[in-house]
Amino acid sequence: EAGVTQFPSHSVIEKGQTVTLRCDPISGHDNLYWYRRVMGKEIKFLLHFVKESKQDESGMPNNRFLAERTGGTYSTLKVQPAELEDSGVYFCASSQPRVAGASQETQYFGPGTRLLVL
Amino acid sequence: AQKITQTQPGMFVQEKEAVTLDCTYDTSDPSYGLFWYKQPSSGEMIFLIYQGSYDQQNATEGRYSLNFQKARKSANLVISASQLGDSAMYFCAMRLSNFGNEKLTFGTGTRLTIIP
Repeated sequence: EAGVTQFPSHSVIEKGQTVTLRCDPISGHDNLYWYRRVMGKEIKFLLHFVKESKQDESGMPNNRFLAERTGGTYSTLKVQPAELEDSGVYFCASSQPRVAGASQETQYFGPGTRLLVL
Repeated sequence: AQKITQTQPGMFVQEKEAVTLDCTYDTSDPSYGLFWYKQPSSGEMIFLIYQGSYDQQNATEGRYSLNFQKARKSANLVISASQLGDSAMYFCAMRLSNFGNEKLTFGTGTRLTIIP
């Protein structure tokens, strides 16, 4: 079974440009998450999709970030216009729907997209 | 708000020795889950082990075990008989158990280097 995949693996862009990151979750996983790790800091939550709906977008830093998950399959995260502080590693994770009464719902992560804004 | 603290930015351990990676957490919720992930130099995040707040026994997965001390709010990862392939970043994370709040809160990580 294929794991979570992310594209591109690396992206170098100039300040003011637009970048779109893509995440393909594990097949059958309704939950899809985006996280970001800025250099030297902790990994921070950005948002959570359940199928095509945004369940929690409390971590999105500002309106320059737009996430979509049309059809409830893959997701894109667009940064427009990119700023220097957007540089970091963007991780996507997916998980199966949580069963009522179960406490564990493991999120499986992709390899990340390394974004550098110059 | 939830918080995870990993106080060891880096550790060097001799091969075949056991290693303990520290993790303390803070939450006022009684129901939560604790996770450890490994991130090798290749970049992917690999799930290692999970402990639920109501689990009676400490979790174990092969050479990994979680030393869960609820009263002290600590969830240390223990790796027995370390191997060169264990060299990586290790992240401790927590998630509340209530539905609708699925996000993971991470610590800053510990970089573990196994010395031959």
